[in-house]
Amino acid sequence: GQNIDQPTEMTATEGAIVQINCTYQTSGFNGLFWYQQHAGEAPTFLSYNVLDGLEEKGRFSSFLSRSKGYSYLLLKELQMKDSASYLCAFMDSNYQLIWGAGTKLIIKP
Amino acid sequence: GAVVSQHPSRVICKSGTSVKIECRSLDFQATTMFWYRQFPKQSLMLMATSNEGSKATYEQGVEKDKFLINHASLTLSTLTVTSAHPEDSSFYICSARDLKAGEGSQPQHFGDGTRLSIL
Repeated sequence: GQNIDQPTEMTATEGAIVQINCTYQTSGFNGLFWYQQHAGEAPTFLSYNVLDGLEEKGRFSSFLSRSKGYSYLLLKELQMKDSASYLCAFMDSNYQLIWGAGTKLIIKP
Repeated sequence: GAVVSQHPSRVICKSGTSVKIECRSLDFQATTMFWYRQFPKQSLMLMATSNEGSKATYEQGVEKDKFLINHASLTLSTLTVTSAHPEDSSFYICSARDLKAGEGSQPQHFGDGTRLSIL
């Protein structure tokens, strides 16, 4: 079967670093995606990993280990505007996105 | 970059009304579009996959006679919520699959969503 899991909520301090983990199980895999979603808005694309390793984009980095079914999103130099939900999703063999429930990130001053 | 336009952004209407939501891909052809529903504090739930020129594929538990999907062209899919009731109030989001998306770029482009409130 397929499943994907991420923490429900995390809290971090402005200026700090936070890592949001995501684990998944699937027989067919075509990449792991991270999206950011602010309340009442549609998700916006952050990153895509299809090979093992770390992809860095400015303050955000995403890591993938296919053998472990594991990914994380790393956010550095946290800003108040980073308060949002972060959704991980993998693309299955039918190229359909399977979504996690999202991690609500709360940034405190 | 690729853009998906979704209209209307907000609808408030009486119970029993039918509501149509449009989803257009503006600068690419989308043979496949997806319709999601999101209730407050919950994740995106896929309702149906819309394929151009053929019938939509509905997820388990989604009533196809209540949520009518039409994908008449390569750039337009519509979702009609028929005889809407208060429990249908939700945030509806469409996305379009970009077959020409390169490695490292997003595979789906999202519309801005439609907030539907049924009184």
